[in-house]
Amino acid sequence: DSGVTQTPKHLITATGQRVTLRCSPRSGDLSVYWYQQSLDQGLQFLIQYYNGEERAKGNILERFSAQQFPDLHSELNLSSLELGDSALYFCASSVGWEEGRYGYTFGSGTRLTVV
Amino acid sequence: GESVGLHLPTLSVQEGDNSIINCAYSNSASDYFIWYKQESGKGPQFIIDIRSNMDKRQGQRVTVLLNKTVKHLSLQIAATQPGDSAVYFCAECTTSGSRLTFGEGTQLTVNP
Repeated sequence: DSGVTQTPKHLITATGQRVTLRCSPRSGDLSVYWYQQSLDQGLQFLIQYYNGEERAKGNILERFSAQQFPDLHSELNLSSLELGDSALYFCASSVGWEEGRYGYTFGSGTRLTVV
Repeated sequence: GESVGLHLPTLSVQEGDNSIINCAYSNSASDYFIWYKQESGKGPQFIIDIRSNMDKRQGQRVTVLLNKTVKHLSLQIAATQPGDSAVYFCAECTTSGSRLTFGEGTQLTVNP
């Protein structure tokens, strides 16, 4: 157990729907990162939050949004889902906002299947 | 643009042999490197890291080598076991806070 908790583990939904993925960081970690991993791609950075505020944005679609709450858990909202959004979505957490100083700890991911 | 790449997408070894997984990076400013292991259906797991002021770092059965001259990183796994079968990613960034950039991964298969 890495200490980073992601729910649900699996999600199957239809195109056009909206889903919310949840992440609880390791105790003491202030940064949360979201990544997408498709079958034919590596880990694609989506977005980072640090202590409740958006810190950095990657290749995140406008249909996707995220937030980090006062208790530091984070939610990734995916709307108007398309078949191509089927992927593993990982959350990672870190003590600070500088990955270079602390590195990441990943959760076990949410497998999203859009049918 | 900046990227971290891997020389081989797959590597197959016999149980008990040593494995070497390679990684090339293009950002000469990168000074922090991490190797992750991802087993099927699981999240990437930290294996070992190294900073640019070092050439070599050893862990339990793993060694990371850094050659800054040719911007090359390698992960050596001693006495490879079936449980080592996974995808291995290298990642790099600068300690000034740049994005941690992941390579595409190498699938290691250990044959009994």
